[in-house]
Amino acid sequence: DTGVSQDPRHKITKRGQNVTFRCDPISEHNRLYWYRQTLGQGPEFLTYFQNEAQLEKSRLLSDRFSAERPKGSFSTLEIQRTEQGDSAMYLCASSLDDGETQYFGPGTRLLVL
Amino acid sequence: GENVEQHPSTLSVQEGDSAVIKCTYSDSASNYFPWYKQELGKGPQLIIDIRSNVGEKKDQRIAVTLNKTAKHFSLHITETQPEDSAVYFCAAWAYGMRFGAGTRLTVKP
Repeated sequence: DTGVSQDPRHKITKRGQNVTFRCDPISEHNRLYWYRQTLGQGPEFLTYFQNEAQLEKSRLLSDRFSAERPKGSFSTLEIQRTEQGDSAMYLCASSLDDGETQYFGPGTRLLVL
Repeated sequence: GENVEQHPSTLSVQEGDSAVIKCTYSDSASNYFPWYKQELGKGPQLIIDIRSNVGEKKDQRIAVTLNKTAKHFSLHITETQPEDSAVYFCAAWAYGMRFGAGTRLTVKP
C-alpha cells in the first residue's frame, strides 16, 4: 500500500531561484490538495484539484505560485523568484471525491536563504 | 470563513494519565472534524474523525466528542504512553479544511 508521496523531502535554495515540488497521491483519490505549514502552526490551504481541474486557490497563493495536475494523477507546485518568507513545509494531501478524509504526504521542507 | 481555535498549545502529562485537547469552530456549516497527529519531520497522520451526526466516537485509547450546539469538540487520550508525544491538530471541514494551531503533547515516562 503506497500512501501520498512527495519529492524532494528537503530543498535549500537561494532567494530569487525557482523551485518545483512533486506530489503523488493515493492512486484512487480524485482530489489533491496543497497546504503550507509554518513553524508552530497548522497546515494552511493553498489550492486543490479535482482530477486535473484546479477548483480553488487561496489568497495565500500569490502570482509566484503555480500548481498543475496535468493528467489527474501527480501534481507539481512551482514557486518562482523565491523569497525568504516562502520558507515552510509544503504538504500535499489526497482524498476521495467527498474531500473530507484527507491523507497527507511527508511534506517538502523548503529553506530559502 | 471558518475559524478553528485549539487549546492548550502545550500539554505535559505523566505516562498513564489522560490528556484532553479542546477545539472550537465558528462556522455552523462545518460537518466533519478530523484529528491529526504530527511527529517531527513527518506529515500529519489522521488518527480519528467524527461527523456532525455523531456525538462521540472511540477507537481504543482515543476518543473524540462533539457538541454542535456549543461548536466545540475534544480529543481524549487515555493511558498515555511516551510514543503519544507529538503535535496534535484538530480541523473542521466546511467547503474546505481549516486547522487549529496545534497542541504539543509531551508524555513523561
